Amino acid sequence: NAGVMQNPRHLVRRRGQEARLRCSPMKGHSHVYWYRQLPEEGLKFMVYLQKENIIDESGMPKERFSAEFPKEGPSILRIQQVVRGDSAAYFCASSSRVLENTEAFFGQGTRLTVV
Amino acid sequence: GQQLNQSPQSMFIQEGEDVSMNCTSSSIFNTWLWYKQDPGEGPVLLIALYKAGELTSNGRLTAQFGITRKDSFLNISASIPSDVGIYFCAGQWYGNNRLAFGKGNQVVVIP
Repeated sequence: NAGVMQNPRHLVRRRGQEARLRCSPMKGHSHVYWYRQLPEEGLKFMVYLQKENIIDESGMPKERFSAEFPKEGPSILRIQQVVRGDSAAYFCASSSRVLENTEAFFGQGTRLTVV
Repeated sequence: GQQLNQSPQSMFIQEGEDVSMNCTSSSIFNTWLWYKQDPGEGPVLLIALYKAGELTSNGRLTAQFGITRKDSFLNISASIPSDVGIYFCAGQWYGNNRLAFGKGNQVVVIP
C-alpha cells in the first residue's frame, strides 16, 4: 500500500511564475490536508479538502493560493505569481476519515524555491 | 492559532542514553501525535495518543497524553545513532480537522 505521494520533490520557479504541487493520498483516503514548513519551523496548516470540496481553507493566504481535490486525480496546490517568500517545503497529508481518533500520514513534501 | 511549545530546541545525547522531550499548550487537545522528521523528508508518525492519561509505547519510544490535556511527553530509551532527527509534537482539538505543530526538538546522538 503506497503512502502519500507528492510530486515534484523539488521545484524551482522564477518570481511571477506559477507553481503546481501534486498530492496523491494513500489508497482509501479521501481527506487531504496541505501544510507549509519554513526552515527551522513546525508545519503550519493551510487547507483541508475532501473529494471535490474545500472544507477548511482558513490557513491559506487570501491571494495567489488555491487548492483542489477533484473527483479523479491528485489534489493540487496552486500558487500563482510566486514571490521569494513562498519558498518553503509544502507537505500533503491524508487520512481515512476526519481527524478525531485517527492519524494523518504525510508525504515527502515538495520543496519550492523561488529565484 | 494554537501554539505548541517544545523545549529545548536541541539536545545532544550519548548513544545508549535515554532522552525525554516535552510539549505544552495553552489549549486543550483531543489528540496528541508525535512525529519524526529526517532531513529532506516528510514527518513520520511515531505515536498517537487519544485519551487523557494514556501511556503508549512503540518499541523504544514511550509517550503520554497529559491529564490536563494540555501537555504530552515523548521518551526515547537507549538511544541509537538513527534516532537523530527532529521530533515534532502535534495536537488536534475537538471539532477541528487540522493539526497544530510545535517547532520541533532537534536530537543529536553522539556515538
